[in-house]
Amino acid sequence: DAGVTQSPTHLIKTRGQQVTLRCSPKSGHDTVSWYQQALGQGPQFIFQYYEEEERQRGNFPDRFSGHQFPNYSSELNVNALLLGDSALYLCASSAGQGSNQPQHFGDGTRLSIL
Amino acid sequence: GESVGLHLPTLSVQEGDNSIINCAYSNSASDYFIWYKQESGKGPQFIIDIRSNMDKRQGQRVTVLLNKTVKHLSLQIAATQPGDSAVYFCAETPSGDYKLSFGAGTTVTVRA
Repeated sequence: DAGVTQSPTHLIKTRGQQVTLRCSPKSGHDTVSWYQQALGQGPQFIFQYYEEEERQRGNFPDRFSGHQFPNYSSELNVNALLLGDSALYLCASSAGQGSNQPQHFGDGTRLSIL
Repeated sequence: GESVGLHLPTLSVQEGDNSIINCAYSNSASDYFIWYKQESGKGPQFIIDIRSNMDKRQGQRVTVLLNKTVKHLSLQIAATQPGDSAVYFCAETPSGDYKLSFGAGTTVTVRA
């Protein structure tokens, strides 16, 4: 039973570029959340997708956008990259419509901005 | 605003001893809590969760205690092993919310 898978594992971009990160949820999960984790800190919530819609958003600018596909997989897009966007980007999946469901994480994409 | 914090950033434990990791939260509306373990180069791994209608929950070698009166959460690991060395995060969610709010984490090092 595959867990949450993310691609790519590492990525290097330059300021001003755009990036797309991908996530496949754990089998049986229909909800995908994205988090940003800076070095030495806890993950920060970006947004959550359910039924192909953004259900909740954290305190991130509009440069951060996402999408969920009918097979529940998801993409995170970041435009006009800044040096401060360098971080580990984590995808988490969960099951069910309600809140208070355990979220299971992938191993993330390490994004470095030069 | 909401915040989840941990009392100690680091914890050194002798192999075989019990570990206790503490967490304080400030949002009284939080009703769901999760402990995660994160090893170097990996994503957070779910350990155990607890809802606000409980004050204790046990798993394999782990126990989570919730004190809503003082807004405190703890994770107890029995017979700590070298493989338990990692950063531990507590996370919380307010009722009806979908996001997890994490603290900064506690680094646990197990001494042989």
